[in-house]
Amino acid sequence: SQQGEEDPQALSIQEGENATMNCSYKTSINNLQWYRQNSGRGLVHLILIRSNEREKHSGRLRVTLDTSKKSSSLLITASRAADTASYFCARIQGAQKLVFGQGTRLTINP
Amino acid sequence: GAGVSQSPSNKVTEKGKDVELRCDPISGHTALYWYRQSLGQGLEFLIYFQGNSAPDKSGLPSDRFSAERTGGSVSTLTIQRTQQEDSAVYLCASNGQGALNEQYFGPGTRLTVT
Repeated sequence: SQQGEEDPQALSIQEGENATMNCSYKTSINNLQWYRQNSGRGLVHLILIRSNEREKHSGRLRVTLDTSKKSSSLLITASRAADTASYFCARIQGAQKLVFGQGTRLTINP
Repeated sequence: GAGVSQSPSNKVTEKGKDVELRCDPISGHTALYWYRQSLGQGLEFLIYFQGNSAPDKSGLPSDRFSAERTGGSVSTLTIQRTQQEDSAVYLCASNGQGALNEQYFGPGTRLTVT
């Protein structure tokens, strides 16, 4: 069963604006990962943040992690039309399986 | 290099028929995972293979589902006596550096049971 919650479920912004997506989880983690999915098919790994890290950057992506609040956020700066996709946070549970959040559907309007 | 590949990309089958879905992981990756993504259920873990260890089958929803991995490479997910609720996208992923690192996903197989 899903053990992560993401909000918002859907987000629509204008091209060039920043997009922020949030993820909460219920149990302790070793790391939290963010993935992107285009057109309901394969997922692409974006960034991994370890439990002892508070912030991580990759290009236009910035991820924060607050283990005390059991939450993470993904910020996409200067959004582009190509960023339109669904974004999922995921954590490892037990035997290396990924447990995904419900995802945020991001739409970038030109 | 080549990524994870899956076949077929789409499969339409009649209720009650058996189906086989194939996954070719990235060469050298020792870990292989199957997930299912369906409307209303999100992404669900199904099964995990790691080297020669016994697979973790804890996510398989029923005994109609089975998977094998031959020679530590290619994997086949078999669904027997398919039901309409089996309709989903089945995603395969592989990982070569241990559980703490990212998984590489294939494009998925969209299964439709009519």
